[in-house]
Amino acid sequence: DTEVTQTPKHLVMGMTNKKSLKCEQHMGHRAMYWYKQKAKKPPELMFVYSYEKLSINESVPSRFSPECPNSSLLNLHLHALQPEDSALYLCASSQRTTGSSGHEQYFGPGTRLTVT
Amino acid sequence: LAKTTQPISMDSYEGQEVNITCSHNNIATNDYITWYQQFPSQGPRFIIQGYKTKVTNEVASLFIPADRKSSTLSLPRVSLSDTAVYYCLLNNNDMRFGAGTRLTVKP
Repeated sequence: DTEVTQTPKHLVMGMTNKKSLKCEQHMGHRAMYWYKQKAKKPPELMFVYSYEKLSINESVPSRFSPECPNSSLLNLHLHALQPEDSALYLCASSQRTTGSSGHEQYFGPGTRLTVT
Repeated sequence: LAKTTQPISMDSYEGQEVNITCSHNNIATNDYITWYQQFPSQGPRFIIQGYKTKVTNEVASLFIPADRKSSTLSLPRVSLSDTAVYYCLLNNNDMRFGAGTRLTVKP
């Protein structure tokens, strides 16, 4: 199974709402990632979890709060978002982030978020 | 900041071989070179990865010269469905995407 699943596929939320994005993988990967992608731009790294610990936070605003409850799950909690946060949010996983091999990432299909 | 540079766009025709080059002058000893393909509104998909010389799989080939300061993704006999954005990444401790190359395959 080389699949990363993300729910929901689409999400529309108001600026005062609180919502969560979910990501799951069952490949035994120990690194998980959140990316944000705007139209016609490359994915931007937001957070990296390695062995369930946050290892990279790319200076993401605190209205985005990641959580890694276990090695298979990754959540992104959203609150007080702005319209400019509307984007495709991608989750990915890899075996590790460091080591002697390249650790290619497997991406989910993304959640299309619209903030109104 | 991403450590790679690619052409912004390329055009090709069906049946041709396409070569996309990525520059990574500051590649580190422990960096691997990985290429991804992305279609609109989908997550990137792993294509191929290498460390040095040549790697080939059922989809593509990857050529890496001895100094490893660049790499070339080769797609044999492209079809319309290969129209996508292609990204090269150096992924050991760095999972940041560069701008990518938008490949358009014409009939």
